[in-house]
Amino acid sequence: EIVLTQSPATLSLSPGERATLSCRASQSVSSYLAWYQQKPGQAPRLLIYDASNRATGIPARFSGSGSGTDFTLTISSLEPEDFAVYYCQQRSNWPGVTFGQGTRLEIK
Amino acid sequence: QVQLQESGPGLVKPSQTLSLTCTVSGGSISSGDYYWSWIRQPPGKGLEWIGYIYYSGSTYYNPSLKSRVTISVDTSKNQFSLKLSSVTAADTAVYYCARDQSSLEGGIDYWGQGTLVTVSS
Repeated sequence: EIVLTQSPATLSLSPGERATLSCRASQSVSSYLAWYQQKPGQAPRLLIYDASNRATGIPARFSGSGSGTDFTLTISSLEPEDFAVYYCQQRSNWPGVTFGQGTRLEIK
Repeated sequence: QVQLQESGPGLVKPSQTLSLTCTVSGGSISSGDYYWSWIRQPPGKGLEWIGYIYYSGSTYYNPSLKSRVTISVDTSKNQFSLKLSSVTAADTAVYYCARDQSSLEGGIDYWGQGTLVTVSS
């Protein structure tokens, strides 16, 4: 099983700042990685697929990068609605998929 | 706009079988472009993929749950269902049904709102 490790577990930033979230895979997943945002009491929302492609309706301040084992989700300038939990998901052995444990982005 | 809605008991006794149904609206489950999935999230914890089903009935399960999981589809009702047997308190979670873009490059693009299932006597 491919294990995804997200860091940091919690990130404390202020609105307007840049956020950088990391996801590391235990073995190469090529570019087959997606990112999701989850707000309290809501289902996750797809942000990024295939490592760097924004899903429909996702603002341009969200960007993804990386390949192989190291991936990054960047939020260029935090808006109040961006404070949430973020999960990465690997799909390299689809239909078997796994999620990371999540990074909580909180207001400083 | 595709919508998914989970339904089923919110309380299940230990050792019994958890049963949930997902009703899909705004799109056909038989379109062939998607896999239909179940994902769960224990309170305060992360996401765990349970399994997928294709409209033809082909299934794929998380190896850690495979011995207890059955996912089925009813294309005439545009529904798919989850059964999880021999439940314990560790199966207490919010259960989501969702639509997967069925490719290495894709993602899970539509989710139900989730339903909390508590395992308790």
